[in-house]
Amino acid sequence: KQEVTQIPAALSVPEGENLVLNCSFTDSAIYNLQWFRQDPGKGLTSLLLIQSSQREQTSGRLNASLDKSSGRSTLYIAASQPGDSATYLCAVKNEKLTFGTGTRLTIIP
Amino acid sequence: NAGVTQTPKFRVLKTGQSMTLLCAQDMNHEYMYWYRQDPGMGLRLIHYSVGEGTTAKGEVPDGYNVSRLKKQNFLLGLESAAPSQTSVYFCASSSPRKGVNTEAFFGQGTRLTVV
Repeated sequence: KQEVTQIPAALSVPEGENLVLNCSFTDSAIYNLQWFRQDPGKGLTSLLLIQSSQREQTSGRLNASLDKSSGRSTLYIAASQPGDSATYLCAVKNEKLTFGTGTRLTIIP
Repeated sequence: NAGVTQTPKFRVLKTGQSMTLLCAQDMNHEYMYWYRQDPGMGLRLIHYSVGEGTTAKGEVPDGYNVSRLKKQNFLLGLESAAPSQTSVYFCASSSPRKGVNTEAFFGQGTRLTVV
């Protein structure tokens, strides 16, 4: 059974800092890994998708890496802004799409 | 391009009532999923489907049934609603194939309250 863990569960950092969110998974036989953000009471917004053959993906201030052999992914956010405050979820896909429990990020102005 | 559409967006049920949630996608995706999200629990997979006419159990299937009679639709049924089924339900779809875009797309959610 695939298990996905996100550490830390919550994180608060001052505006402008760079930060890293972590995601680990137990079964390396995945098709891809996807990072989402979720604002309170809202749906999921897809941020980045990394295919199993890729090592990283970048979009603006976001960079996601994938190390299948060690079962880890990181989401790097550069120059954080208050608008980045949200819950960040990672999900790994084989036949199923399995989510971690998320990291609640607060950026302090 | 509508993507993934969930119906309804909100619903209040009395204990013991039944209802069906509809998920429709227009991207010709083979895979479809139903999740529930509870505070502090993340998204938990209820049932999923890898193609028309097929369904499989996820992590928390008890109390729910599903059907995938048409490729574009995935229905989630509650035969006898219980307060423990109060939650936000999300539907998703994706392409199954490796090597192509397998990004998952989500609906906006259905907020269900069982009283």
